[in-house]
Amino acid sequence: DADVTQTPRNRITKTGKRIMLECSQTKGHDRMYWYRQDPGLGLRLIYYSFDVKDINKGEISDGYSVSRQAQAKFSLSLESAIPNQTALYFCATMQQGADTQYFGPGTRLTVL
Amino acid sequence: GQQVMQIPQYQHVQEGEDFTTYCNSSTTLSNIQWYKQRPGGHPVFLIQLVKSGEVKKQKRLTFQFGEAKKNSSLHITATQTTDVGTYFCACYTGGFKTIFGAGTRLFVKA
Repeated sequence: DADVTQTPRNRITKTGKRIMLECSQTKGHDRMYWYRQDPGLGLRLIYYSFDVKDINKGEISDGYSVSRQAQAKFSLSLESAIPNQTALYFCATMQQGADTQYFGPGTRLTVL
Repeated sequence: GQQVMQIPQYQHVQEGEDFTTYCNSSTTLSNIQWYKQRPGGHPVFLIQLVKSGEVKKQKRLTFQFGEAKKNSSLHITATQTTDVGTYFCACYTGGFKTIFGAGTRLFVKA
């Protein structure tokens, strides 16, 4: 869905570098999520936010941090990237009261 | 914590054959959703099941929710090459998080 955008789409970085992945949405949804996808493991929740002042850890938050700068923007940071953070990262949005999540196109991150 | 198992992990079929993927939760669900991810793409919502024993159809796709609301299946009749991709179940227990299954990747040979 073009309503949910992620930048960059691809990134190669080195161990120890700080990386920020950005997500923007024009759907007007209040809930936003960050997932990582690894082969054979499906989608695992990193962080989620129900509004600008509400940030919650997911299943695998260690090594990650997030910022909800506005209702439409939710950023994921890797403070010091490590190789096992190499994965496909998806942002998703959902309207409060609904159950359907809308995913962005994904960011493929490689940590060397 | 809640466990979600989806089987099989992979399925190779000949075009025209049927396909089924199963999703099992260790806890009772409020609802379950199914998503499809095409190769190189992102997950896209297919359907939501809410009621015990519910069956929904979308053309060649049939979705079922178990009587105990702990399992679900997606069945595709007469697969086509356009069906290739990974099918995920997403389990919602009434909390604030959705737990995704690991997915079943479908390969269709023409």
